[in-house]
Amino acid sequence: QLQLQESGPGLVKPSETLSLTCTVSGDSISSSTYYWGWIRQSPGKGLEWIGSIYHSGSAYYNPSLKSRVTISVDTSKNQFSLRMTSVTAADTAVYYCAREPDAWGQGTLVTVSS
Amino acid sequence: ENVLTQSPGTLSLSPGERATLSCRASQSVNWSYLAWFQQKPGQAPRLLITGASHRATGIPDRFSGSGSGTDFTLTISRLEAEDFAVYYCQQYGSFPFTFGPGTKVDIK
Repeated sequence: QLQLQESGPGLVKPSETLSLTCTVSGDSISSSTYYWGWIRQSPGKGLEWIGSIYHSGSAYYNPSLKSRVTISVDTSKNQFSLRMTSVTAADTAVYYCAREPDAWGQGTLVTVSS
Repeated sequence: ENVLTQSPGTLSLSPGERATLSCRASQSVNWSYLAWFQQKPGQAPRLLITGASHRATGIPDRFSGSGSGTDFTLTISRLEAEDFAVYYCQQYGSFPFTFGPGTKVDIK
């Protein structure tokens, strides 16, 4: 059964870098035909697509976040990762990883605060 | 960017009633790659529909999706207590993928 699990710090200081990893079990990123992505949801708000990556390493990003976001993939570990630089309080959100569109992790809350 | 608009913003209905939710795209959605999600407070979104009309595994048949091009609809034939939630559409036919702002279905 496919499972995705987000991991990473729950608290990040303003201006620092947010780093999250998604570990996939039940599917192989390297042989999958799906894109693997990150989505976030700020408190009380809707869903915001951050970006996606293919096993080849081709990545696509939300234009509003593109300058601060990098998504990478490690097929040897069956993981993909999110890196977001220069975070502010506006980046406080639940971050989800997903095999798009059909399988999501449970999400992890990241709070940006000093 | 393919902007999705959902209407209405809130739908107030009683159990047993029919719910019709709309998702309109600013550009044609390639291959009808349109998904619908249900989200309850404190929970991750739950996939209901992919490809505009294909129910995900385990989704009751009271949920149905339809549409193509720029206009899509999610219909819940008879609302049950557990269906009161927020519903989002997402297009995954072109990058950047985008979500609609959501429709809240609440109890009248």
